[in-house]
Amino acid sequence: RKEVEQDPGPFNVPEGATVAFNCTYSNSASQSFFWYRQDCRKEPKLLMSVYSSGNEDGRFTAQLNRASQYISLLIRDSKLSDSATYLCVAGDSNYQLIWGAGTKLIIKP
Amino acid sequence: EAGVAQSPRYKIIEKRQSVAFWCNPISGHATLYWYQQILGQGPKLLIQFQNNGVVDDSQLPKDRFSAERLKGVDSTLKIQPAKLEDSAVYLCASRLQGNTEAFFGQGTRLTVV
Repeated sequence: RKEVEQDPGPFNVPEGATVAFNCTYSNSASQSFFWYRQDCRKEPKLLMSVYSSGNEDGRFTAQLNRASQYISLLIRDSKLSDSATYLCVAGDSNYQLIWGAGTKLIIKP
Repeated sequence: EAGVAQSPRYKIIEKRQSVAFWCNPISGHATLYWYQQILGQGPKLLIQFQNNGVVDDSQLPKDRFSAERLKGVDSTLKIQPAKLEDSAVYLCASRLQGNTEAFFGQGTRLTVV
């Protein structure tokens, strides 16, 4: 069975701190990887795609480790507005998307 | 570019009643997904369409749930009869072919009483 595992949290982090999430996936044939952000009572929205070489978008950095089958998300200089649930997703060749249960992040002033 | 449209936004029904949800994906998106999301959990795939064909419906409770995408564009998801445990948010998402990201509609929040 294909699975994506995440620490559900919550992660309680002071504003300005750096926080990191990891996510593991079971299907070694997974081809695409994403981090989504979901605010309370809203739909998930793409935060960033995750590339083999790693990628950075402002305060956010995503890494992929195919050998260990995990992806990570690093948030630097966290803001109150970063409080949300972060969902890890792995996609395969049939365009199937396997979703993690999400990691809840709470940024405190 | 218009996003994924879903209706209704909210629905309250009694158990054993039937309900239908509608989704219009982003134009040109061949892949369409229906998800069920219960509070505190990640989205659970109910059914995936590629154009008008079903790719995966292994987690769809077929005794009560059905879905169709007749012309390969918009889709409907039906529950008949509903149970209390069907209370959840039903999310529709669409995706271009390839390894691109999925886009979600705002979802339908279903409450079964």
